[in-house]
Amino acid sequence: SQTIHQWPATLVQPVGSPLSLECTVEGTSNPNLYWYRQAAGRGLQLLFYSVGIGQISSEVPQNLSASRPQDRQFILSSKKLLLSDSGFYLCAWGQGGAGELFFGEGSRLTVL
Amino acid sequence: SQQGEEDPQALSIQEGENATMNCSYKTSINNLQWYRQNSGRGLVHLILIRSNEREKHSGRLRVTLDTSKKSSSLLITASRAADTASYFCATDVGSNYQLIWGAGTKLIIKP
Repeated sequence: SQTIHQWPATLVQPVGSPLSLECTVEGTSNPNLYWYRQAAGRGLQLLFYSVGIGQISSEVPQNLSASRPQDRQFILSSKKLLLSDSGFYLCAWGQGGAGELFFGEGSRLTVL
Repeated sequence: SQQGEEDPQALSIQEGENATMNCSYKTSINNLQWYRQNSGRGLVHLILIRSNEREKHSGRLRVTLDTSKKSSSLLITASRAADTASYFCATDVGSNYQLIWGAGTKLIIKP
């Protein structure tokens, strides 16, 4: 069966520090991978998606970046965090077009 | 931009009662999906209904889709305390592998 792992679960970082959130998927090949951000009490905002190794599409201009070094690995990064980067980050995978998505447990980032 | 808008924003009912949540959207869709999110957790897919379908069932869940009104409803029958969560609708509008998400309905089931 397929599983998705996302870490770390919580992170408190000072403004200006770097960020790396990681996500890996098991039990499937060539998944579409997604990074979402969720503000408190709100819906999901798509940040990045990837349909293959090295293929990254950005939906929202910001100081975040994403990389897909391996088929089932998706990384969200920042060189210098801003206060506004605080939020709940969710990794997800799916197959084909915009069908059913499977989510990780999320990473709560607090930038101080 | 926000495509789906859930209604109500919050709903509190007694255990055993039925809960109905609604989702409205603005443009034509390929499919509409409902997800559940427990507090501080990831989202869990509940059900997907395609644009040519009108109703789907899964256990205690019933989803309807009215493409003429651009709306969907999620009915949870015989609610349980474990149904307490936020419920989101998401629409596939055929654009770049994206789903467009609503802001969710927060459902509280009182024991």
